Amino acid sequence: GENVEQHPSTLSVQEGDSAVIKCTYSDSASNYFPWYKQELGKRPQLIIDIRSNVGEKKDQRIAVTLNKTAKHFSLHITETQPEDSAVYFCAAISNSNSGYALNFGKGTSLLVTP
Amino acid sequence: KAGVTQTPRYLIKTRGQQVTLSCSPISGHRSVSWYQQTPGQGLQFLFEYFSETQRNKGNFPGRFSGRQFSNSRSEMNVSTLELGDSALYLCASSPGLGETQYFGPGTRLLVL
Repeated sequence: GENVEQHPSTLSVQEGDSAVIKCTYSDSASNYFPWYKQELGKRPQLIIDIRSNVGEKKDQRIAVTLNKTAKHFSLHITETQPEDSAVYFCAAISNSNSGYALNFGKGTSLLVTP
Repeated sequence: KAGVTQTPRYLIKTRGQQVTLSCSPISGHRSVSWYQQTPGQGLQFLFEYFSETQRNKGNFPGRFSGRQFSNSRSEMNVSTLELGDSALYLCASSPGLGETQYFGPGTRLLVL
């Protein structure tokens, strides 16, 4: 099955700095890569996603890049704010004979200090 | 549209008991997936249902089962509960297979 590795597990940045979270995947057939943000005690919320037919996607301060050859994708948050503090999960969808499965990385705990 | 809802939100059970959790997807969504979230293992895929059929299953023992009804609502059942089953159980709905998933608030299960 798909294996998604996520780094770093914790990240601390100062307000206004950029934050980068990286993920690698193993299944070359994976074609959909969402990112979720989970604040303490809340549900994971989709913040951005990318499909394998594009290399980069941006939404205001958030961007995701995808390198299919290297099988890795990254989340970039610019001008970080304290409310960006949360756990971020990357995921990759795999499609096998038995169906689809969304496989998650273990998460990155981001702390933005004022 | 109303989001994904899950009931109950909190549950305390003892070892050996069984539990049934419920998930109502976003209106119009036909796929429901279930995940187990624990601090040590992160989010782990349990299974996915589409059109009342289980389409895929993760690496969990047979004590974990589920079903989906004709209105796309889904239930998951855990029998013979173990201490290690304590976790947050999340369901997510999507319009179809392999599409963007939206999570419910989860059911926090504590097994004593």
